[in-house]
Amino acid sequence: QQPVQSPQAVILREGEDAVINCSSSKALYSVHWYRQKHGEAPVFLMILLKGGEQKGHEKISASFNEKKQQSSLYLTASQLSYSGTYFCGTVKTSGTYKYIFGTGTRLKVLA
Amino acid sequence: DVKVTQSSRYLVKRTGEKVFLECVQDMDHENMFWYRQDPGLGLRLIYFSYDVKMKEKGDIPEGYSVSREKKERFSLILESASTNQTSMYLCASTERRLWGQGSDTQYFGPGTRLTVL
Repeated sequence: QQPVQSPQAVILREGEDAVINCSSSKALYSVHWYRQKHGEAPVFLMILLKGGEQKGHEKISASFNEKKQQSSLYLTASQLSYSGTYFCGTVKTSGTYKYIFGTGTRLKVLA
Repeated sequence: DVKVTQSSRYLVKRTGEKVFLECVQDMDHENMFWYRQDPGLGLRLIYFSYDVKMKEKGDIPEGYSVSREKKERFSLILESASTNQTSMYLCASTERRLWGQGSDTQYFGPGTRLTVL
């Protein structure tokens, strides 16, 4: 089942903060976050494996809740370079190994 | 650095044509994937392969087939292109062994924007 991301789109001014959420009705094996800039391939940002985990640095970080059903990506003091589409992804562990991505969040940072 | 390359960045084909999209990775990864990306729908898995000559259907395999004759190369084939196959196609690879260790991190190619007229 595809993880659901919210919001679908967000517009920020430089320096503002944003939070992107990734939710699932079932516990996720792991959560990966990717960013895709316009016209480019998605690029891996970080992975969270454990419930309650928090990861990243001051500007871009992520958390995974205890039940492993929700992850949030935090973008602090956003920069123009943060613009792009953000995806969460997870590995489906029942049946054949497969990778599933969330619906995506378009983020635009304005000067 | 892992490198995943795709044969074309842009492709324009006519309805009914047979279309080949090629993907090559240079890191000896076990798994390779083909996705299509459409606005509002995110990335959807078409097919993946976990070994040479092995393939598994993803979520939207209809109208597509794949070929993996060599470990580094994974081809997506549109047997008879249709206008609803106009999309961005992304290839990716991961290291992860099926039953063992490795990384699930997906390494993506630059994508092929296919237009079917």
